[in-house]
Amino acid sequence: NAGVMQNPRHLVRRRGQEARLRCSPMKGHSHVYWYRQLPEEGLKFMVYLQKENIIDESGMPKERFSAEFPKEGPSILRIQQVVRGDSAAYFCASSLSTGSNEKLFFGSGTQLSVL
Amino acid sequence: DQQVKQNSPSLSVQEGRISILNCDYTNSMFDYFLWYKKYPAEGPTFLISISSIKDKNEDGRFTVFLNKSAKHLSLHIVPSQPGDSAVYFCAASGAQGAQKLVFGQGTRLTINP
Repeated sequence: NAGVMQNPRHLVRRRGQEARLRCSPMKGHSHVYWYRQLPEEGLKFMVYLQKENIIDESGMPKERFSAEFPKEGPSILRIQQVVRGDSAAYFCASSLSTGSNEKLFFGSGTQLSVL
Repeated sequence: DQQVKQNSPSLSVQEGRISILNCDYTNSMFDYFLWYKKYPAEGPTFLISISSIKDKNEDGRFTVFLNKSAKHLSLHIVPSQPGDSAVYFCAASGAQGAQKLVFGQGTRLTINP
């Protein structure tokens, strides 16, 4: 499967626990983006990463959220001390480059539920 | 601050007829617009796009129209098919980064047989 792979598909956490969401971009893609979709809303940009670098994290909440894209392995979105308001679908996307007409390819998402 | 708005949460269309989905934006710096289609439990998939230098782009049954003066775009699907039933998101990008998309809230399209 050459698509964007996200896991887990569903993640249940209790308030105060940590959530780790993983994303493997499409083969050959070195640009990764995380988006969040709250219920009944559109997707909202969170962060843009390249290998070992955070390029734009202007959409990330200031606390508890972090992201990385190491030299080896998948990109990780980490949410510490989760709260009920973190319940959402988290989508990862990747692109080959950042040209103006470059398309994003999205994964199937991770549905995070905080009890 | 909703920069991209899809004011119709849902739309129901008869199979074979035309589906028209609308989208409005407020940021005049947007210069690239896209439509994504999303099925339940899947990620959005790219459908069609248009650059701000054009006013129309066509791909098979799908046509996107852009009216820059009105800051409005629309997606036309004709003829509509049952497999078109999905949520459609309008998205825009601009100087802030081509891949830093701003999405609308989505319109759920249902095609009735």
